[in-house]
Amino acid sequence: EAQVTQNPRYLITVTGKKLTVTCSQNMNHEYMSWYRQDPGLGLRQIYYSMNVEVTDKGDVPEGYKVSRKEKRNFPLILESPSPNQTSLYFCASSGGPSGYEQYFGPGTRLTVT
Amino acid sequence: AQSVTQLDSQVPVFEEAPVELRCNYSSSVSVYLFWYVQYPNQGLQLLLKYLSGSTLVESINGFEAEFNKSQTSFHLRKPSVHISDTAEYFCAVSEDDMRFGAGTRLTVKP
Repeated sequence: EAQVTQNPRYLITVTGKKLTVTCSQNMNHEYMSWYRQDPGLGLRQIYYSMNVEVTDKGDVPEGYKVSRKEKRNFPLILESPSPNQTSLYFCASSGGPSGYEQYFGPGTRLTVT
Repeated sequence: AQSVTQLDSQVPVFEEAPVELRCNYSSSVSVYLFWYVQYPNQGLQLLLKYLSGSTLVESINGFEAEFNKSQTSFHLRKPSVHISDTAEYFCAVSEDDMRFGAGTRLTVKP
């Protein structure tokens, strides 16, 4: 089954404790991205990756890091989480950045206290 | 750069009533347009898309959207909604990347 998986689905942590949210896709997609969803703001792109070892900032990259060492995986790293990073996070993959359907993971609800 | 405006943040309707969710976009070049649906506690799923050709596109569950280039709109419509259509709907425009609107929460009441 074609899918994007994310782990964990729910996470409660404290300010400053490094965390990683994993994302994996099995569709051999080159393009992957991370979004955060906040009420009234829709989805905002954090980082995206056009291919292995190629990543770039989206609209709201501050406080986040990503890596793309393998085509299927695109982890999101919060080195020192802060309460304003409390949000719902989605990973997505597609055949390209433009004109392609994006396939979304189930989401990770992060709470930083 | 492209942008998307969803004109209604919440739309409450009664079951079997028609509904229209409005979406306007801005872009300097040809664009691709999408509607995604998000059911509670789930990720986004593609509902329908316009890439080229016929300006009226349809989904398998009765929704349709019409691309109107002169009005830069891509409104989503359904002639008769069901309780199960209750969800959040996102309009998206794809030019050099994909941009999403803020979402419209559709609530269908019995």
